Amino acid sequence: EAQVTQNPRYLITVTGKKLTVTCSQNMNHEYMSWYRQDPGLGLRQIYYSMNVEVTDKGDVPEGYKVSRKEKRNFPLILESPSPNQTSLYFCASSFISAGELFFGEGSRLTVL
Amino acid sequence: AQKITQTQPGMFVQEKEAVTLDCTYDTSDPSYGLFWYKQPSSGEMIFLIYQGSYDQQNATEGRYSLNFQKARKSANLVISASQLGDSAMYFCAMREGRYSGGSNYKLTFGKGTLLTVNP
Repeated sequence: EAQVTQNPRYLITVTGKKLTVTCSQNMNHEYMSWYRQDPGLGLRQIYYSMNVEVTDKGDVPEGYKVSRKEKRNFPLILESPSPNQTSLYFCASSFISAGELFFGEGSRLTVL
Repeated sequence: AQKITQTQPGMFVQEKEAVTLDCTYDTSDPSYGLFWYKQPSSGEMIFLIYQGSYDQQNATEGRYSLNFQKARKSANLVISASQLGDSAMYFCAMREGRYSGGSNYKLTFGKGTLLTVNP
């Protein structure tokens, strides 16, 4: 089954404790991206990647890191989480030239 | 300036009636794509419909159609024969640019419209 898998789905952590949200897709997509969703703000892009070892900042990259060492994986790293990073996070992927962006189920992160 | 504007924070429609959700966009890129996604209360993002900037005809997918008016830079979603299960948040999004040795390739979402279908 074609899918984008994110883990963990839910996480409560404390300020400053490094965490990684994993994202994996099995569709051989070149393009992968991370979004955060906050009430009233829609989805805002954090980082995106056009292919292995090719990443770029989205609209809200501060406080986040990413890497793309393999085509299927695109982890999101919060080196020192803060409460303003409490949000619902989505990973998504697609072929570069195609329309549909496939989303993971979302990861709800709470930073205390 | 916002790239994607959804001016209706909330909409109500009676079951079985049609409803139009507005979306306007702003880009100078001649090659772009427009999407609509549905997010029910369970939280997942469901792809509904896609329109490319060079597509001559309006996109349709079952009860969903996209009213694409390029000169006005609008891409409204029309849902025909609304069902209770259509109650959800709806997001319009735009993909700009093409990957060609460093071109920017971003996907921008609007803030969404919450649709409520009344029985």
